[in-house]
Amino acid sequence: QQQVKQSPQSLIVQKGGISIINCAYENTAFDYFPWYQQFPGKGPALLIAIRPDVSEKKEGRFTISFNKSAKQFSLHIMDSQPGDSATYFCAASLMNYGGSQGNLIFGKGTKLSVKP
Amino acid sequence: DVKVTQSSRYLVKRTGEKVFLECVQDMDHENMFWYRQDPGLGLRLIYFSYDVKMKEKGDIPEGYSVSREKKERFSLILESASTNQTSMYLCASSLTRTRGSPLHFGNGTRLTVT
Repeated sequence: QQQVKQSPQSLIVQKGGISIINCAYENTAFDYFPWYQQFPGKGPALLIAIRPDVSEKKEGRFTISFNKSAKQFSLHIMDSQPGDSATYFCAASLMNYGGSQGNLIFGKGTKLSVKP
Repeated sequence: DVKVTQSSRYLVKRTGEKVFLECVQDMDHENMFWYRQDPGLGLRLIYFSYDVKMKEKGDIPEGYSVSREKKERFSLILESASTNQTSMYLCASSLTRTRGSPLHFGNGTRLTVT
């Protein structure tokens, strides 16, 4: 019930291509879905997030697509660049709960390499 | 910009030693967290704290304890380090209990226990 399954574990994309990372969740009560980006030697940082009342959110080259009925969401990186090479984590949580119920549940991460 | 500072970038300790990992945040955030990051296992929550002197267990608290005596500082303690605690440790903070409040992570402490 509390898992977030992320795929693929690693991804190699050519410069200019589209990178797609997928996540699936089980708990239908989750209502907040962020993506975090982690560069080597750094901690993760919030990249983009979505609430389930919208099906898509776009910020620059980064888009989250959300499918509530399938309990899936994905990150699309358009025109991928070598500088996008990083590890990406999806996550989910219960927006309006306090305590441990509201903590983020992270996927296991996807290591993206964008080749020049 | 929020800054979360972890006192050590790399740490090498011997089995059985007591280990302290320190974390300080400079933005008066209510919440602080300790995660460990291992290849293929992602980020796993060890302990978290929503207030001074308050702590709650995360998903993998065994072998660890924490201390939060001041709002800005959250310490992770390995009472008797073991080799299976070799890992990257990440501290994070967030402003409020509202889940939309993003986590701000430090750059991690890579701990090796020999």
